[in-house]
Amino acid sequence: GAVVSQHPSRVICKSGTSVKIECRSLDFQATTMFWYRQFPKQSLMLMATSNEGSKATYEQGVEKDKFLINHASLTLSTLTVTSAHPEDSSFYICSARGQGAYNEQFFGPGTRLTVL
Amino acid sequence: AQTVTQSQPEMSVQEAETVTLSCTYDTSESDYYLFWYKQPPSRQMILVIRQEAYKQQNATENRFSVNFQKAAKSFSLKISDSQLGDAAMYFCAYRRTGANSKLTFGKGITLSVRP
Repeated sequence: GAVVSQHPSRVICKSGTSVKIECRSLDFQATTMFWYRQFPKQSLMLMATSNEGSKATYEQGVEKDKFLINHASLTLSTLTVTSAHPEDSSFYICSARGQGAYNEQFFGPGTRLTVL
Repeated sequence: AQTVTQSQPEMSVQEAETVTLSCTYDTSESDYYLFWYKQPPSRQMILVIRQEAYKQQNATENRFSVNFQKAAKSFSLKISDSQLGDAAMYFCAYRRTGANSKLTFGKGITLSVRP
């Protein structure tokens, strides 16, 4: 159990376009979801935390108008990178946490975003 | 604020040997969780082992065990009988208890396994 999926696994887009990344908890209800960004050979950098039905809480330095996060249901959160630029190219990872036996952070496989 | 320090960026171990990865942390909390995550080349984060601070007994999962020294705020991971599949980045992480807590990661260490 405790599977988290992400879609797409990789995406290439043109500068100025928007990209949406989906994160789903497949076999548990995720009361909290986390979005991370990771550069090669570096640690995970938390971008924002979202609770179902509430606005996301962004970490300092993360532009909330650029990285839109929606956590509309207990199994789905989306990250939309608006007006993407080459510097937004990175590996984005979502993580979901539930309650009870699922009160742990389970990670998705990540999405590689390349902005041309 | 909580911090997690992994001071060694890289380590290498011979296959079948034992290796220890170091981690220290800083917190003013008395109850918290500590984790080791593995990130292989696929980049999927995998939970290796978890330790609850109130438990004195060191956690063990097959070939993986920890040395948890609460007073020293040290949390090292020992990998016994290293296998080629153990080659990965390993991250030490901390999380305080509570509903809205979040993981704090160390910088990670790249472990290579020599055949």
